[in-house]
Amino acid sequence: QVQLVESGGGVVQPGRSLRLSCAASGFTFSTYGIHWVRQAPGKGLEWVAFISHDGSNKHYADSVKGRFTISRDNSKNTLDLQMNSLRAEDTAVYYCAKDHPGISGWFDYWGQGTLVTVSS
Amino acid sequence: EIVLTQSPPTLSLSPGERATLSCRASQSVSNYLAWYQHKPGQAPRLLIYDASYRATGIPARFSGSGSGTDFTLTISSLEPEDFAVYYCQQRSNWPPLTFGGGTKVEIK
Repeated sequence: QVQLVESGGGVVQPGRSLRLSCAASGFTFSTYGIHWVRQAPGKGLEWVAFISHDGSNKHYADSVKGRFTISRDNSKNTLDLQMNSLRAEDTAVYYCAKDHPGISGWFDYWGQGTLVTVSS
Repeated sequence: EIVLTQSPPTLSLSPGERATLSCRASQSVSNYLAWYQHKPGQAPRLLIYDASYRATGIPARFSGSGSGTDFTLTISSLEPEDFAVYYCQQRSNWPPLTFGGGTKVEIK
């Protein structure tokens, strides 16, 4: 069955960096676009970033553009999110989510999430 | 950026009742709208995509309708496991992909 498992969350000071990872299994990873979506405490869902199946196409929310970088390794079935210059408003649970078959932009499977807390 | 507005923020209903959730877009998204269910501590679950297509394994009591700017998610008869937060999301002319603020369906 499809599994997405995030890791790498934790407590980090403002201005510092953190790298999240997402390990995928149960589907042909190299044929699907993958997204990062986050949820701040007490808030709704916010799309963060997207990478196409082969890594050639990437998109970012304005709130993270220039600070976050999405990447993938299809040989290892892993997705990463490098987060630099972290701010208090980046505090959230971060989910990786897989594109629906044939339709980029719908999230048909999600991981359980990893919590990032930006605080001094 | 397309803004999605969900109403009401909270819906208080009893098991067995019908739930009607609304999502309004700031501009037309055609039928490029999805609905997700989210329970605390769990991964969100895709319910409906392209406004009216049920995702794999979603019970028939969930249905979606609408096009353009006005959309509805209907749960025909609430089961105990349906009490959760529901989000709409659009993929028209992205990035960015955007979500509504959510509707919490709570037990009355």
